Amino acid sequence: EAQVTQNPRYLITVTGKKLTVTCSQNMNHEYMSWYRQDPGLGLRQIYYSMNVEVTDKGDVPEGYKVSRKEKRNFPLILESPSPNQTSLYFCASRGPGLPDNEQFFGPGTRLTVL
Amino acid sequence: AQSVTQLGSHVSVSEGALVLLRCNYSSSVPPYLFWYVQYPNQGLQLLLKYTTGATLVKGINGFEAEFKKSETSFHLTKPSAHMSDAAEYFCAVSDPRSGGYQKVTFGTGTKLQVIP
Repeated sequence: EAQVTQNPRYLITVTGKKLTVTCSQNMNHEYMSWYRQDPGLGLRQIYYSMNVEVTDKGDVPEGYKVSRKEKRNFPLILESPSPNQTSLYFCASRGPGLPDNEQFFGPGTRLTVL
Repeated sequence: AQSVTQLGSHVSVSEGALVLLRCNYSSSVPPYLFWYVQYPNQGLQLLLKYTTGATLVKGINGFEAEFKKSETSFHLTKPSAHMSDAAEYFCAVSDPRSGGYQKVTFGTGTKLQVIP
């Protein structure tokens, strides 16, 4: 089954404690993205990747890092989480070509930073 | 820069009534437009999309949307609401001219409540 998986699904942590949210896709997609979803703000892109070792900032990259060492994986790293990073996070992937290719979204990771 | 405005963060309709969710976009060129649906505790899934050609596009679950260039709109409709339609709906826009990774910009979402 074609899917995007994220782990963990729920995470409660404390300010300053480094964490990683994993994202993996099994569709051999080139493009992967991370979004955060906040009430009243919709989805905002954090980082995206066009292929292995190619990443770039989205609209709200501050406080986040990513890496793309393998095509299937695109982890999101919070080196020193702060309460304003409490949010619902989604990973997405899509194949190459025109942007009308469907983006496939993971189930989401709900992060709470105390 | 492209942007999307969704009018109404919450919409309530009675079961069997018409569903109308509004989306207006801003883009310097004819954009690609999308509607995504998010059911509770799930990720987003594509409902329908407009790229080129016919301006009335049909999607899954009986939804459709019409691209109106003169009004810069892409409203989502369904003739008869079903309880299972209760979800949050996101309109999104992309610029087809941009090379490489073509960014998709999302609206702020509209939560649809269906009243029995």
